Amino acid sequence: DIQMTQSPSSLSASVGDRVTITCRASQRINSYLNWYQQKPGKAPNLLIYAASSLMSGVPSRFSGSGSGTDFTLTISSLQPEDFATYYCQQSYDIPRTFGQGTKVEIK
Amino acid sequence: DVQLVESGGGLVEPGGSLRLSCAASGFTFIHAWMSWVRQAPGKGLEWIGRIKSKGAGGTTEYAAPVKGRFTISRDDSQNMVFLQMNSLKTEDTAVYYCSWIGRVENYYYMVLWGKGTTVTVSS
Repeated sequence: DIQMTQSPSSLSASVGDRVTITCRASQRINSYLNWYQQKPGKAPNLLIYAASSLMSGVPSRFSGSGSGTDFTLTISSLQPEDFATYYCQQSYDIPRTFGQGTKVEIK
Repeated sequence: DVQLVESGGGLVEPGGSLRLSCAASGFTFIHAWMSWVRQAPGKGLEWIGRIKSKGAGGTTEYAAPVKGRFTISRDDSQNMVFLQMNSLKTEDTAVYYCSWIGRVENYYYMVLWGKGTTVTVSS
């Protein structure tokens, strides 16, 4: 199975900050990488697919980059509604696997 | 509205069985690939498996922890997907989500999720 490792596991940031979350795959997955946001008690919500394609309706402050084994999710200016847990997920192979999550908290 | 609604969760004893349902609406279900994902209390997301559309063969794949115990099926006449769970273990306790798998070229992603249904395995 492909292992996905996110860092950091959690971070504290202020409104307006630029936030970067990284995701590393245990083998090359080209651009088969998705990002989801999950708020407490809610289902996940797709933000980014194919490593860098913004899902329709997702604010442009979210962006994704990377290819191969190393990927990043960037929030250019953190907003109050962005405090949540973020997960990466590979779609290169079965079984699909997720990173362990990165919790973004208010500083 | 485009939505997925799961049902069928509850409390079951270890070794028991449970069948979850997911009702889809607002999109062409017959062409949809569907998946199930679970989340144990306080933990991350875990992919359970998927079922392709009948047009793509209707085949299923599963994660190792559930293979041989869980079965995903679909009823296109009712726009529903099911998760039959047998030989349940305490570690199967989780919120179970169904999701619609979107695709652009060869890129697959879980584009729509239900609100989830809670399964508790305990004696």
